[in-house]
Amino acid sequence: AQSVTQLDSQVPVFEEAPVELRCNYSSSVSVYLFWYVQYPNQGLQLLLKYLSGSTLVKGINGFEAEFNKSQTSFHLRKPSVHISDTAEYFCAVSKFGNEKLTFGTGTRLTIIP
Amino acid sequence: DGGITQSPKYLFRKEGQNVTLSCEQNLNHDAMYWYRQDPGQGLRLIYYSQIVNDFQKGDIAEGYSVSREKKESFPLTVTSAQKNPTAFYLCATRTSGGAAETQYFGPGTRLLVL
Repeated sequence: AQSVTQLDSQVPVFEEAPVELRCNYSSSVSVYLFWYVQYPNQGLQLLLKYLSGSTLVKGINGFEAEFNKSQTSFHLRKPSVHISDTAEYFCAVSKFGNEKLTFGTGTRLTIIP
Repeated sequence: DGGITQSPKYLFRKEGQNVTLSCEQNLNHDAMYWYRQDPGQGLRLIYYSQIVNDFQKGDIAEGYSVSREKKESFPLTVTSAQKNPTAFYLCATRTSGGAAETQYFGPGTRLLVL
């Protein structure tokens, strides 16, 4: 079975500073990887996904993530954050051909003005 | 306007009562899912359905039931057997086929116990 670890439950960052949210996964087979964002009292919105191909994936709102197979990581980055990026971010993994997603416990990103 | 709708936005349950959460989609996706979200625990899978008239238990199915009579609809019933139902409930659908394997989420229903 696969699992996902988000190492930081909360990350405070000053506005216009860079940010990295960490995600590590565990799986014995090839996987698909996803980052979702959740604003307060809303559903999850897909930020980006890695299915195959280039290991650097670009998503919405200026976010990107890099798939590192040797380190089993899929860290999310943004070079300059904005107040509107304040939200909770979830990393998720699924196995090839498996219909189920496994989620991490989330990282709450707080932007300090 | 395509998407996933969940109703109601807020739902109150009295002790011993069954309540039903609605999830409707017009994305023509075959697969649908129900998740429960509690603070600090991420999302946990309750039930999922890959096709009409078929569904499977997820990781925390006890105290819940579902039906899938139409492709567009996947209602979730929280029964009186679920002793701690207070949570945020999210419905999702999934595209399928190779590079399109992605889940999309509705806006959620918050269930509170009176």
